[in-house]
Amino acid sequence: RKEVEQDPGPFNVPEGATVAFNCTYSNSASQSFFWYRQDCRKEPKLLMSVYSSGNEDGRFTAQLNRASQYISLLIRDSKLSDSATYLCVVIPGTGGFKTIFGAGTRLFVKA
Amino acid sequence: GAVVSQHPSRVICKSGTSVKIECRSLDFQATTMFWYRQFPKQSLMLMATSNEGSKATYEQGVEKDKFLINHASLTLSTLTVTSAHPEDSSFYICSARDKGAGASEQYFGPGTRLTVT
Repeated sequence: RKEVEQDPGPFNVPEGATVAFNCTYSNSASQSFFWYRQDCRKEPKLLMSVYSSGNEDGRFTAQLNRASQYISLLIRDSKLSDSATYLCVVIPGTGGFKTIFGAGTRLFVKA
Repeated sequence: GAVVSQHPSRVICKSGTSVKIECRSLDFQATTMFWYRQFPKQSLMLMATSNEGSKATYEQGVEKDKFLINHASLTLSTLTVTSAHPEDSSFYICSARDKGAGASEQYFGPGTRLTVT
């Protein structure tokens, strides 16, 4: 089983739609969770951290479910500019803070 | 925000030659830097973790004698691809963790696209 698993997609949605991505992780001792965004042929950029209580940043909402070991990202009112690959990132509790990346979920927002 | 630079951004080299890629943290000190490789349409794969002043820790399957990592200062880490072959052609990205900001966030460099002919 992979340490971090994501649905690769692609998700094709119209502008204005709401779309949700899930990500599961295998290490129950994992401590930190993030969503990164990567545009084609560019480096990943931090989108948002994921907190236990859930957190929201504008149109983006992230949630963590420790019992089921998954995190989610909800995007409301999708924009064309949201088209990208979204990477789920987990930092385990051990291993020198090694960062584990999911394979990413591709999102295409269409006009 | 914190800035990480990489040089060169793009390099084309002949098979059998060596290529050095630099990763610099421009406005913060990074005790730990990470080197990733990304093939087209695939995820980032961690190659090694580079700690300032000590030997790098390589991931399983990554040849340490082929991918030489040097982290000589708190702002610079280098990756040298020795005796490059076409299968080494990839997008190499470094990231750095800010020494003063805790263990959570990494800042990524813009990447280096290596093409071996």
